[in-house]
Amino acid sequence: QKEVEQDPGPLSVPEGAIVSLNCTYSNSAFQYFMWYRQYSRKGPELLMYTYSSGNKEDGRFTAQVDKSSKYISLFIRDSQPSDSATYLCAMSSGGSYIPTFGRGTSLIVHP
Amino acid sequence: GAVVSQHPSWVICKSGTSVKIECRSLDFQATTMFWYRQFPKQSLMLMATSNEGSKATYEQGVEKDKFLINHASLTLSTLTVTSAHPEDSSFYICSARGRGHPEAFFGQGTRLTVV
Repeated sequence: QKEVEQDPGPLSVPEGAIVSLNCTYSNSAFQYFMWYRQYSRKGPELLMYTYSSGNKEDGRFTAQVDKSSKYISLFIRDSQPSDSATYLCAMSSGGSYIPTFGRGTSLIVHP
Repeated sequence: GAVVSQHPSWVICKSGTSVKIECRSLDFQATTMFWYRQFPKQSLMLMATSNEGSKATYEQGVEKDKFLINHASLTLSTLTVTSAHPEDSSFYICSARGRGHPEAFFGQGTRLTVV
């Protein structure tokens, strides 16, 4: 079992839909949780960063962390074609802060 | 967010030559830098972690004599691919984090093609 599991998709949704992206993990030591967006042939861009459990909202994006279930989510409201990209979850523990990445979910938002 | 600049964005080199890729943190001090390799439609593969002023720590299976990493200052790390071969062709990406900050910021990536 990988430390971080993420469905590669692709996930195809119509413009305006609410998108839910998820990752599960097995290492209970993870405390820091990140979501990145990566367009083709570009470096990943940090979207959201959360510490421990709870919700965090930034514009159309909401990140949720449920440490008891070892489950994290990223919600995108009012999705746009420009949101079409690969979304990577990442998490790390204190000390080394070396992030462990999911394999990424490919999202396609069609007009 | 913080800015990490990676250069060059793409490079083509002949087999047997060496290529240097630079990664700079523009607006923060990067105490730790990470180097990744990414194959098409796959996730990031961590190659090595470097802390400023220390030798890089390489992941298992990564040849440290082939992929030379230097992190001489708090804003600059370099990856040199020595004696490049076609199988080294890939997308190389760096990321950097500052002291006390778990979140890392990525460079734009470098597409290396060895012919």
